[in-house]
Amino acid sequence: GESVGLHLPTLSVQEGDNSIINCAYSNSASDYFIWYKQESGKGPQFIIDIRSNMDKRQGQRVTVLLNKTVKHLSLQIAATQPGDSAVYFCAEISTGGGADGLTFGKGTHLIIQP
Amino acid sequence: DAGVTQSPTHLIKTRGQQVTLRCSPISGHKSVSWYQQVLGQGPQFIFQYYEKEERGRGNFPDRFSARQFPNYSSELNVNALLLGDSALYLCASSLEVRRQPQHFGDGTRLSIL
Repeated sequence: GESVGLHLPTLSVQEGDNSIINCAYSNSASDYFIWYKQESGKGPQFIIDIRSNMDKRQGQRVTVLLNKTVKHLSLQIAATQPGDSAVYFCAEISTGGGADGLTFGKGTHLIIQP
Repeated sequence: DAGVTQSPTHLIKTRGQQVTLRCSPISGHKSVSWYQQVLGQGPQFIFQYYEKEERGRGNFPDRFSARQFPNYSSELNVNALLLGDSALYLCASSLEVRRQPQHFGDGTRLSIL
């Protein structure tokens, strides 16, 4: 994932607090973004997606913000719970071509402190 | 409903051998993609198939090949295995080929000795 990266490899958060996971992307042609959660020994689990014609999208306890000007994506998790402990990846798809191969970043490990 | 299923879950091979990994997509999903995930990194795109045709390929050598069957299941083949092929191989399915959420299986852990 050379074109998608994350600012912090590890994020430690108190249980009950809000978590914010950041992602920078370099390909200005990217028009579709997905956040995934990956627990140990499992495949990535879809959390939420956003298209480039949107700035914000909300799901259950999660919000994704997209700032195309600075090519930045963030995932906000409200009231973080122990079950939120995992590695979080952002992934992007660029316009053009006939395929939707996702480009992943290296991931942020979210640790929940009791 | 069942999610994406992959088999086998674990596999051990030696250098030079060949391997076939299998994937069944979520019911109703027509597109299947394959990814390789090396420990400590994000998944890397290998192939995408839609309606039995290859729609895209990542930066992987010709030793990697795949196909999709009429029931939308898929196989990934890797020939002449190298130590560096040791990884988690993930399959993802989506309804259509363009700008749809891709849902992943739990992968096949391939170890090369």
